Amino acid sequence: DAGVTQSPTHLIKTRGQQVTLRCSPKSGHDTVSWYQQALGQGPQFIFQYYEEEERQRGNFPDRFSGHQFPNYSSELNVNALLLGDSALYLCASSPTGIYEQFFGPGTRLTVL
Amino acid sequence: AQSVAQPEDQVNVAEGNPLTVKCTYSVSGNPYLFWYVQYPNRGLQFLLKYITGDNLVKGSYGFEAEFNKSQTSFHLKKPSALVSDSALYFCAVSQPVMDSSYKLIFGSGTRLLVRP
Repeated sequence: DAGVTQSPTHLIKTRGQQVTLRCSPKSGHDTVSWYQQALGQGPQFIFQYYEEEERQRGNFPDRFSGHQFPNYSSELNVNALLLGDSALYLCASSPTGIYEQFFGPGTRLTVL
Repeated sequence: AQSVAQPEDQVNVAEGNPLTVKCTYSVSGNPYLFWYVQYPNRGLQFLLKYITGDNLVKGSYGFEAEFNKSQTSFHLKKPSALVSDSALYFCAVSQPVMDSSYKLIFGSGTRLLVRP
């Protein structure tokens, strides 16, 4: 059983560009959450998707948006990239009603 | 608001010695607590969780954690540390998002360094 997968592994962009990160949840998991982990910090909740809808958003600007597809996979989009968006972006999945979340390996985004 | 604090940026311990990584929490209602480990350039790996029941929770790789409600703590422990345990450890609390879904609130992390 494949775990949570994310693509790409690494990404380098310049300021002002746009980026799309992708996540495939663990089999049987219908809820996907995205987290941003800046260097030296703990992961911060960006938003969560369930049934193709955003359920809750953390303290992130509208430049961060997402989408969930019918097969439960998800995308994270970031527009107008800033240097401060450089971070490890983690996707986590869980089945409904379960407290625990399962994390993917992350996408390392570097903004130059 | 729910929060988690990890008071130590780094913990140093000799191989074979017991280790403790500290975590305190602040929640309203019942706490659902987790420990995750992160190796360099990797995602987070689940170690253990406390939902309810015994205050001593056993997890992966020989780790355990002690839930103490009166002290609002959830310290991670291992009786005998290995060099391979060297990694970044995160304590987290689960917070409801909507019915039957949750998000994690993480501490700032503690780097564990086990010297040979």
